[in-house]
Amino acid sequence: QVRLVQSEAEVKQPGASVKVSCKASGYTFNTDAMTWVRQAPGQGLEWMGWISAYDGHTNYAEKFRGRVTMTTDTSTSTAYIELRSLKSDDTAVYYCTRDLEGAGRTFGYWGQGTLVTVSS
Amino acid sequence: QSVLTQSPSVSAAPGQEVTISCSGSSSNIGNNYVSWYQQLPGTAPQLLIYENNKRPSGIPDRFSGSKSGTSATLGITGLQTGDEADYYCATWDSSLTARVFGGGTKLTVL
Repeated sequence: QVRLVQSEAEVKQPGASVKVSCKASGYTFNTDAMTWVRQAPGQGLEWMGWISAYDGHTNYAEKFRGRVTMTTDTSTSTAYIELRSLKSDDTAVYYCTRDLEGAGRTFGYWGQGTLVTVSS
Repeated sequence: QSVLTQSPSVSAAPGQEVTISCSGSSSNIGNNYVSWYQQLPGTAPQLLIYENNKRPSGIPDRFSGSKSGTSATLGITGLQTGDEADYYCATWDSSLTARVFGGGTKLTVL
């Protein structure tokens, strides 16, 4: 079965960078894409963008362009998201997601989430 | 401010049915599939409905979805206390070239 296992929680200072990982299993990683979604405390879901593990093509939400980088390592079936110049309102749970088979643009599978806290 | 509009909260008694609405525009709901997600407290969201009205394997038929024009609706029948959760709609927005979510609806089963 499809599993997405994310890295542990992080605490960062304002201005720093954070890199969250998402290890995938149960499907052919390098033929698919990984999408990232975040959720600030008590708030709704926010789409951040996606990356194709096949060719590395990315599509970032306009809000994060210039500050986010998504990458993949096909040798370990792991996706990464790096967010730079962190601010307090970047405090959120970050989720990796994969589309449901045969249903594009559907967040079919979710990682358990990684809490990133930005605080001085 | 979310691109898709949902009522912040809804409540109903156990055994009753409830509908949750999601309103958008022609650039999103009007011309793209809608999906729905359930987020139980402290957990990651789970896909409930995709392509407007399809249920993934394992989702009971108490959950249903529909779409008309630029609005979509999630229906839940036979409410259980375990259905208490936040529910989100989502779709693609062709103008923004981005996936968008509704602000979420908190369901309380009284």
